[in-house]
This record gives sequence, structure tokens and C-alpha cells, in this order.
Amino acid sequence: DAKTTQPNSMESNEEEPVHLPCNHSTISGTDYIHWYRQLPSQGPEYVIHGLTSNVNNRMASLAIAEDRKSSTLILHRATLRDAAVYYCILRVPLRDDKIIFGKGTRLHILP
Amino acid sequence: DTEVTQTPKHLVMGMTNKKSLKCEQHMGHRAMYWYKQKAKKPPELMFVYSYEKLSINESVPSRFSPECPNSSLLNLHLHALQPEDSALYLCASSQVSGTSAYNEQFFGPGTRLTVL
Repeated sequence: DAKTTQPNSMESNEEEPVHLPCNHSTISGTDYIHWYRQLPSQGPEYVIHGLTSNVNNRMASLAIAEDRKSSTLILHRATLRDAAVYYCILRVPLRDDKIIFGKGTRLHILP
Repeated sequence: DTEVTQTPKHLVMGMTNKKSLKCEQHMGHRAMYWYKQKAKKPPELMFVYSYEKLSINESVPSRFSPECPNSSLLNLHLHALQPEDSALYLCASSQVSGTSAYNEQFFGPGTRLTVL
């Protein structure tokens, strides 16, 4: 499976946008980019996913580079509740059910 | 109902005990998963069940024995565990791969296991 690389940790101020980067230089043409996050004392939760085009949902936006070798998860206005570990994951749909979690980025939100 | 429930929330057991972890979902998902998560580490996949049959075993020691008695329930039977097995055990469920373009996994809050 292709690997992802994320910074170990990041800090952001409350109510400001946050850009969480992910590198996936060995991504294949069929890999989808998924993001999950894990809030303290909770199980991971799905955030967003995409293939080639930028994606928006109620939680976040996903910006995917034209060559697909990197992507950025954007939280438009971070709150204290967004403090979590964010995982960038590559998945091939319709193949298997595995999620292989990388180390993720621990996001700290400063009040 | 998009909830995956896990019981118990916490479990302390000795190395000679036999215990079970339980996971339940009512979303009609036919794929269910067990993950193990050590402190400050990402979750690691242990088992995958698809249509109540074991489809993936990530070389987990036999002291962990999964069971899927029906489409809503997943158990993890524990026997003769070691202290290093202490971790957060997460259950998840999803549609089976192949039934949708992507299969978002829904996770429970986990059972925190301590082996003495």
C-alpha cells in the first residue's frame, strides 16, 4: 500500500483556518485520499475523501494537488473541539476493507 | 442510528482470566473490524469480518479469538493475555467493499483493556 507522510504536530489559533498537509508521492491512479480524525478518548471518525478534484463538506475541505502527490485538509475556522489527531490515508475502493493508519498529525488549538 | 457501541468501557483482567469484548451496530453494515491502539500510536487492524465470515486476520496471536454471531454483533474473546496486550480495542463497521464506491468506517469509542 502507498504510504503517506504527515507532520507529527501542528498548532493553530482558535477561529483561524488550519491547513494540514499530507504527502503521498507513491499514490496510484486508483487510490482515494481519505482523512479521519481521532478526538481525545474517542474512536476515529471519517472527515472527508477525494480522488482528483477538491472536495467540500460540512466538516472540512480537501485540496488535492494536480499531480495528486500531496493534499491538504483545510479546517476553515478551527475551534477547540477540532483538537485531535488527523490521519491521511490512501484507500482503493471496491478492493478490500483495510484502513492502514499512518502516524497522523496531532493538531493543537490555542484559545 | 450511526452509532457503534462497545462494552465494557474499561476492563482489567489477570493473565489467567478469560473475558470478552462486545461490539454492536444497527446500521445494516456487513463488514466489522477489530483494531488495537497502544497509547500515542495509530490504530492497528487486527481482524475483518465480511458477511459474518472472517476475511482478514492480521497475524494476531491465538489468545485473541474473534466471533461474529450475527450481522449486528462482533465479539473478541480474550484468554491468557500478556501485560503488553494492554491497549484500547476499537471496533468499527462499514458497508462491505464492493457495495459502494467507498466504505466509510464508523468506529466505536473503544474498550480500554488493562492486563495485570
